[in-house]
Amino acid sequence: EVQLVQSGAEVKKPGESLRISCKCSGYSFTRHWIAWVRQKPGKGLEWMGIIYPGDSETRYSPSFQGQVTISVDKSITTAYLQWSSLKASDTAIYYCAREGDDDYLADSWGQGTLVTVSP
Amino acid sequence: QSVLTQPPSVSGAPGQRVTISCTGSSSNIGANYAVHWYQHLPGTTPKLLIFLNTIRPSGVPDRFSGSKSGTSASLAITGLQAADEADYYCQSYDSGLSGWVFGGGTKLTVL
Repeated sequence: EVQLVQSGAEVKKPGESLRISCKCSGYSFTRHWIAWVRQKPGKGLEWMGIIYPGDSETRYSPSFQGQVTISVDKSITTAYLQWSSLKASDTAIYYCAREGDDDYLADSWGQGTLVTVSP
Repeated sequence: QSVLTQPPSVSGAPGQRVTISCTGSSSNIGANYAVHWYQHLPGTTPKLLIFLNTIRPSGVPDRFSGSKSGTSASLAITGLQAADEADYYCQSYDSGLSGWVFGGGTKLTVL
């Protein structure tokens, strides 16, 4: 069974750094892209970027380029999303999702990680 | 402003039929990239409803159906039930952005 298990909720102050994780299991980790999706309070889903664990090729949405860093550790089949300096506007739920075999389909999702950034 | 355009809300009485539109452009839906639909309840993981424009995953009732034509796609829900109240999102790929694109989401209210 494919499973994506994300790290727990975080409460941070503006300017702090943060890395959240997405532990993947039940399939060949290096053969499927992993995406990160943001949902701000009361808003819709936004694609942030995607990484191919096989070679760490990464693509970012223009809206998130330079704002976050996506990475993987193949040895522990885990993907990461990190910030070097959080802003209050980064408060959101962040989902990781696996891209399946069919035409850019998100076929499995993590449970989401709530990040709250407040002074 | 989302790349794919959905109505912010739709509503219908129990048992009725509603449709949710998803309008894109020549760099996504119109470029023959597939459209996928997700049902999302607050605090839960998005659930795949329709993939590759028209296909229902196992376990999704046949009350849910998808279609695609030109630069648009639609999700139809028949025999509305209270349990269908949720947010619905379309998703595709955009060649200009080289990435996934979502619609802004549509909130379905069952009256």
